[in-house]
Amino acid sequence: QVQLVESGGAVVQPGTSLRLSCAASGFIFSDYAMHWVRQAPGKGLEWVAVISYDGTNKFYAESLKGRAIISRDNSKNTMFLDLNSLRAEDTALYYCARVGFVSSWFAWFDYWGQGTPVSVSS
Amino acid sequence: DIVMTQSPDSLAVSLGERATINCKSSQSVFRSFNQKNYLAWYQQKPGQPPKLLIYWASIRESGVPDRFIGSGSETDFTLSITSLQAEDVAIYYCQQYSTAPPGALSFGGGTKVELK
Repeated sequence: QVQLVESGGAVVQPGTSLRLSCAASGFIFSDYAMHWVRQAPGKGLEWVAVISYDGTNKFYAESLKGRAIISRDNSKNTMFLDLNSLRAEDTALYYCARVGFVSSWFAWFDYWGQGTPVSVSS
Repeated sequence: DIVMTQSPDSLAVSLGERATINCKSSQSVFRSFNQKNYLAWYQQKPGQPPKLLIYWASIRESGVPDRFIGSGSETDFTLSITSLQAEDVAIYYCQQYSTAPPGALSFGGGTKVELK
C-alpha cells in the first residue's frame, strides 16, 4: 500500500534552516511528481512546492520562493524540502503528497503523509 | 494566481439531511481541449491529513461513498453530501489544479460541517 512518511520537523529559531524528508513506499516513486503542502495551526491548506518525477523541474509558492529548495533522491524513494531563513509565519504542519496521476505535475493529491510539524519561535 | 473562495465557512446539518458546500474560482478552471474542470474536493478530520473525495469536479475517488456528489463547471462548484452521517463531520476543501507551472495550485479556505 502507498505510504508517505514525513520527518525532520522541529522547533527552531527565526532565521535558521531545516530539512524535511518524505519517505515513500508502495508505489514506483520515480514515476510521480511530488508536492509539499503546509497547514498553519487552525488554518487551511497552502501549496508549497512541486518537483517533477525526475527532479529536473521544480516550482514554488511565492511565499517561499528563494527560501525553499525541493529535491528528491529516486534511488532512495525520498523527497526533501530545505527551508531557509525561517520566519514565524512558516510555522505549520508540512505534508508531502503524491500527485493523482503519472503524467502530470499539477493534479489532485491522492495520497498524503501524516505531516511533520515545524515551529518557528524565538 | 487563481483564488478559491468557499462558502459558507461553516454549517450545521442534521443527521440524514443534505449538506451543500460552494466553491468559487476567480478564473475558469475548465479546459476546452479535454472538456474537464480541474477541481478536486478533500475531507479533513481533526488530527488527520486531507482525504481525496472528488477529482475532475465530479469523479468520486475509489471507496468514497456515493452520498458525496461533486458538481459545477467553469468557476462555480458544489460538493453535496446527500444524507449526512456522523462520520462526515469534518472540514472540506476545494482545490484547483488548472494552473500550469510556474503558477500555483490553490485551495479554498475550507468549510466546517457540524451536526445540528
